[in-house]
Amino acid sequence: EDQVTQSPEALRLQEGESSSLNCSYTVSGLRGLFWYRQDPGKGPEFLFTLYSAGEEKEKERLKATLTKKESFLHITAPKPEDSATYLCAATGGSYIPTFGRGTSLIVHP
Amino acid sequence: NAGVMQNPRHLVRRRGQEARLRCSPMKGHSHVYWYRQLPEEGLKFMVYLQKENIIDESGMPKERFSAEFPKEGPSILRIQQVVRGDSAAYFCASSLGAPNTEAFFGQGTRLTVV
Repeated sequence: EDQVTQSPEALRLQEGESSSLNCSYTVSGLRGLFWYRQDPGKGPEFLFTLYSAGEEKEKERLKATLTKKESFLHITAPKPEDSATYLCAATGGSYIPTFGRGTSLIVHP
Repeated sequence: NAGVMQNPRHLVRRRGQEARLRCSPMKGHSHVYWYRQLPEEGLKFMVYLQKENIIDESGMPKERFSAEFPKEGPSILRIQQVVRGDSAAYFCASSLGAPNTEAFFGQGTRLTVV
């Protein structure tokens, strides 16, 4: 059974304090690793797709990386508007994305 | 370019009633997915549809739940004889290609069963 585990469950940062969110996955034959951002009361917003180990993608203060067992979402010099829940999902042989429970990020000004 | 549209945003039903949730995918997208999200839990896959076909319904309860994506019109998730445990946020997502490509989510329908 495909599994995705995210850590930490919650993270509090000061504005400008860089950090990383972890997504560990166990899927048979990874076909895609996805990161989403979800604000309270809203649907997930697509951020990145990674397909193979060693791949990296960046968008503003966010950078996603992928190894054979985990993915990291690095947040550089975060701002309060980066506060949200960040979701990770992986697709394997079944093609159906399995989501982690998310990391709730709060950035204090 | 409108995103994924879900309606209603909020739905209140009494136990035993039927709930109908609608999802219009992004223009040009023919792959639709339904997910359920409970507080403090992740998104749980329910069903994957393409136009007029159910591709994978492994996450959907066998009883009371059904989904369709007709040739014309939105995708519908139907829950018959709702119970309190059905209260949750239901999200629809669509993608242009196969499920291992980026999917875009709607704002969700929050179902409350009283």
